[in-house]
Amino acid sequence: AQSVAQPEDQVNVAEGNPLTVKCTYSVSGNPYLFWYVQYPNRGLQFLLKYITGDNLVKGSYGFEAEFNKSQTSFHLKKPSALVSDSALYFCAVRDGGRGSTLGRLYFGRGTQLTVWP
Amino acid sequence: NAGVTQTPKFRVLKTGQSMTLLCAQDMNHEYMYWYRQDPGMGLRLIHYSVGEGTTAKGEVPDGYNVSRLKKQNFLLGLESAAPSQTSVYFCASSYGVEVGREQFFGPGTRLTVL
Repeated sequence: AQSVAQPEDQVNVAEGNPLTVKCTYSVSGNPYLFWYVQYPNRGLQFLLKYITGDNLVKGSYGFEAEFNKSQTSFHLKKPSALVSDSALYFCAVRDGGRGSTLGRLYFGRGTQLTVWP
Repeated sequence: NAGVTQTPKFRVLKTGQSMTLLCAQDMNHEYMYWYRQDPGMGLRLIHYSVGEGTTAKGEVPDGYNVSRLKKQNFLLGLESAAPSQTSVYFCASSYGVEVGREQFFGPGTRLTVL
């Protein structure tokens, strides 16, 4: 069964400092991993994904994520945080199996990122 | 191109009342999903559809029904609302089954059941 863990409910960082939002996963086959961001009173927006290839994935708004197979992790990073990055971040793993469950995403509980000026 | 839209945005129901949430997408996506979001629990899949006329149960289907009569619409129904169904409901869609296909989300419906 697929599952995702986001061990931190909250991450606080000063503007201009690097940020990391952690995610670990458990899958029965190849991992297909996603990060989404949710701003207040909005739906989820896609940030980036890892399917195969380079372990460092670059996405929207200057975010990147590092895939580490041995540690089963997919941490979200940004070199210099902005106040506008404050939001709720979700890591998700994709069900890659055959049959009617194709396309299903399993989400972590979310991490609230606060960037203070 | 509106993407994924949801109506209504907010709703307050009394226990036992019924309602239908409407999701519409204009991207010609085959796959559509209904999630609920509760504090500290992330998003949980209620029902989903892999094409027009098809539906399937997700993680937490009890108390909900769905229909996909048209490709662009996915309806979520609550026949007899309960306080435990107070939540934020998100609809999502995706084009295909390739593993790289991300899901596109609507803005959500905030439902309170008294």
